[in-house]
Amino acid sequence: EAGVAQSPRYKIIEKRQSVAFWCNPISGHATLYWYQQILGQGPKLLIQFQNNGVVDDSQLPKDRFSAERLKGVDSTLKIQPAKLEDSAVYLCASSLDQAIYEQYFGPGTRLTVT
Amino acid sequence: RKEVEQDPGPFNVPEGATVAFNCTYSNSASQSFFWYRQDCRKEPKLLMSVYSSGNEDGRFTAQLNRASQYISLLIRDSKLSDSATYLCVGQRDTGANSKLTFGKGITLSVRP
Repeated sequence: EAGVAQSPRYKIIEKRQSVAFWCNPISGHATLYWYQQILGQGPKLLIQFQNNGVVDDSQLPKDRFSAERLKGVDSTLKIQPAKLEDSAVYLCASSLDQAIYEQYFGPGTRLTVT
Repeated sequence: RKEVEQDPGPFNVPEGATVAFNCTYSNSASQSFFWYRQDCRKEPKLLMSVYSSGNEDGRFTAQLNRASQYISLLIRDSKLSDSATYLCVGQRDTGANSKLTFGKGITLSVRP
């Protein structure tokens, strides 16, 4: 079974630039999550989708971050404009359904903002 | 106070040692708990669930104490391959969905 795919794996940008990350969840998984993991910390949930609807975006900095999952399959996360403190690994995860605790993570995108 | 807090680390132990990690949680609304493992520069993966009655999987034992609000993970006979970061995770149902909250993780290094 194919896992969660993410791209790019690495990205270096300057502050105030824009960046977008892409995620393709495991086939058939209704729930998709974006996490931010800063070095030395655990993953922090940014946004959760159930199919193409947003379930939880309470910790998403909406002034600069946006995410969509238009067709209920793959998803993009965008940062515009980026700040130095956005340097982190952005992990995408999926689960069969929102009530299922086991989440499968992708390899992540390592973002460095200079 | 963070919802899930873990022991400070890192832990550095010799092969064959027994090591225990503790994690405390502050939100009594958290209903379920898990340990995830994250290898260096890799994604987290579910290691095991944590039950009040205890959960054992080979050399790994997880325990939940609801009265004291803490979770533990015991690793017996440590192997070099156990070197990783172990994340304590709480799950809380928020009506229509459930939310996982991750601790910051504790790093284990097993030396020959």
